[in-house]
Amino acid sequence: QVHLLESGPGLVKPSETLSLTCTVSGGSIRNYYWSWIRQPAGKGLEWVGRVYTSGSTNYNPAFNSRVTMSLDTSNNQFSLSMTSVTAADTAVYFCAGDYGDNEIDFWGQGILVTVSS
Amino acid sequence: QLVLTQSPSASASLGASVNLTCTLSSEHSTYPIAWHQQQPGKGPRYLMKVNTDGSYNKPDGIPDRFSGSISGPERYLTISSLQSEDEADYYCQTWATGILVFGGGTKLTVL
Repeated sequence: QVHLLESGPGLVKPSETLSLTCTVSGGSIRNYYWSWIRQPAGKGLEWVGRVYTSGSTNYNPAFNSRVTMSLDTSNNQFSLSMTSVTAADTAVYFCAGDYGDNEIDFWGQGILVTVSS
Repeated sequence: QLVLTQSPSASASLGASVNLTCTLSSEHSTYPIAWHQQQPGKGPRYLMKVNTDGSYNKPDGIPDRFSGSISGPERYLTISSLQSEDEADYYCQTWATGILVFGGGTKLTVL
């Protein structure tokens, strides 16, 4: 069974870059597609972007090129980088995966990232 | 624009059944969707995919009490024999041209 674990700083200053890593266990990162999804407190889920086994990506247009995702196959990890963060980026960030048929099949437990000075 | 619309809240009694609805935008009315459950304080869990022919596929471990169906642009999640642990937020999700979209979620209260 695939298990996902998010890691990274829980506090980021405004205008700086948010960087998160998702470690995949129980399966090879090469066998799935990987997404980041976020959830502000008390609100719904928002898809951030997806990285494919080839390393190509799709991003939510709402993030206006602030987002970059990449794979690290040697460590079975994938990552999210979001630049120029503001308080509106404060949320729980989930990493998630799918088998390539577009529905999210498994989720991480989430990591809270707060943007504050 | 691909949009999924869900009622913000629903309630039903312990042991009863409930239907949660997710409505696709009109130009996307034939799309399949997925349902996810998020219990309080936890990450979401994938429940099932509802296909365009009305069939549904669940991963191992999802109880038989959970089922899916469709009618036109509407996608349903039916939970029968409601239990206290079914009190959660339920999200539908779909996709188009590599973009994933979530509905706003329905908060289910078990009375």
